[in-house]
Amino acid sequence: AQKVTQAQTEISVVEKEDVTLDCVYETRDTTYYLFWYKQPPSGELVFLIRRNSFDEQNEISGRYSWNFQKSTSSFNFTITASQVVDSAVYFCALGDQTGANNLFFGTGTRLTVIP
Amino acid sequence: DAEITQSPRHKITETGRQVTLACHQTWNHNNMFWYRQDLGHGLRLIHYSYGVQDTNKGEVSDGYSVSRSNTEDLPLTLESAASSQTSVYFCASSAKQGTEAFFGQGTRLTVV
Repeated sequence: AQKVTQAQTEISVVEKEDVTLDCVYETRDTTYYLFWYKQPPSGELVFLIRRNSFDEQNEISGRYSWNFQKSTSSFNFTITASQVVDSAVYFCALGDQTGANNLFFGTGTRLTVIP
Repeated sequence: DAEITQSPRHKITETGRQVTLACHQTWNHNNMFWYRQDLGHGLRLIHYSYGVQDTNKGEVSDGYSVSRSNTEDLPLTLESAASSQTSVYFCASSAKQGTEAFFGQGTRLTVV
């Protein structure tokens, strides 16, 4: 069955520090998709990134970077030089064929960036 | 710009009443979803649809129903609202399976 674990419930960092949000997933499928979403205090869910299981290349987008490691079933998200605007709840999600490719979400990590 | 909208944004209802939450998307996406968000549980899938006249149960479908009569809309009905259904509800849509979903702004439902 599909499972996404975000073991860090809450993280606090001081502005300009780097922070890594962990995501560990479980699936029996060889084809699957991983996602990160951001939920700021306003409540909407903002799509950040999608990665398929055949693409292990790490990705960088500005201050954001993602490390996908199939060997450890992890898809971690790093924010470099954090800013107050990064304060949000971040969700990791998995879509696989067993689950009809619907998104299964982790429980989220609440990041607070202290000015 | 294409978008996905939910209404109402906030609703208070009484136990036992039927409630319908609306979801409308202009992306022309085939796939539509309803999730509920509760503290400690993240987002859990209630129902989903891959096209007109197609509906499927998700992880937490008991007490909920959906219908898909056109591409744009997937209303969620609570047949007889219960206090356990107090939650924030999100509607989403995606172009095809395996692609990112775009979410509405959410509906905060309180059942008293």
